[in-house]
Amino acid sequence: QKEVEQNSGPLSVPEGAIASLNCTYSDRGSQSFFWYRQYSGKSPELIMFIYSNGDKEDGRFTAQLNKASQYVSLLIRDSQPSDSATYLCAVNKADTNAGKSTFGDGTTLTVKP
Amino acid sequence: GAVVSQHPSRVICKSGTSVKIECRSLDFQATTMFWYRQFPKKSLMLMATSNEGSKATYEQGVEKDKFLINHASLTLSTLTVTSAHPEDSSFYICSGGWGDTQYFGPGTRLTVL
Repeated sequence: QKEVEQNSGPLSVPEGAIASLNCTYSDRGSQSFFWYRQYSGKSPELIMFIYSNGDKEDGRFTAQLNKASQYVSLLIRDSQPSDSATYLCAVNKADTNAGKSTFGDGTTLTVKP
Repeated sequence: GAVVSQHPSRVICKSGTSVKIECRSLDFQATTMFWYRQFPKKSLMLMATSNEGSKATYEQGVEKDKFLINHASLTLSTLTVTSAHPEDSSFYICSGGWGDTQYFGPGTRLTVL
């Protein structure tokens, strides 16, 4: 079992729809959770981070964390073609080097006009 | 947000030569920097973690004598690919750790002929 698992996709949604990206992690002691977006041929860029159970909203993006279920998700509302990218879930364990994250393999999202 | 630069963005070299890649944190001090490589359509692979003023910690399977990492200051880490071969051709990405978050550089695309 991988430490951080994501649906590989590809996930395809029509423009304007809600895209839902899911991630599960195995280390119950994990404390910090991140979502990165990576366009093809580019490096990852941080979209959101979340530390506490519940929802965190930033514009069209909402991160959801459920530590009991070891589950973190990213919702993208009003999806745009420019949201088409690979989304990486990253998790920090409690006892790791500052900033060291374990990454999932990513989910590729395609938003069709 | 925190900015990380990498230089060069793209390099082509002959087999057997060495290539140095620089990673700089521009507006923050990164006590920890991470080096990744990524093959096309594959996930990020952590190569090593470098802490300022100390030896880098390499992930299992990464040859430390081939991938030399120096983290001489809080804003600069370098990766030298020694005696590069075509199989070393890849996208190399660094990131700087600030708090518990990583901020990625734009990446360096290495092609070894």
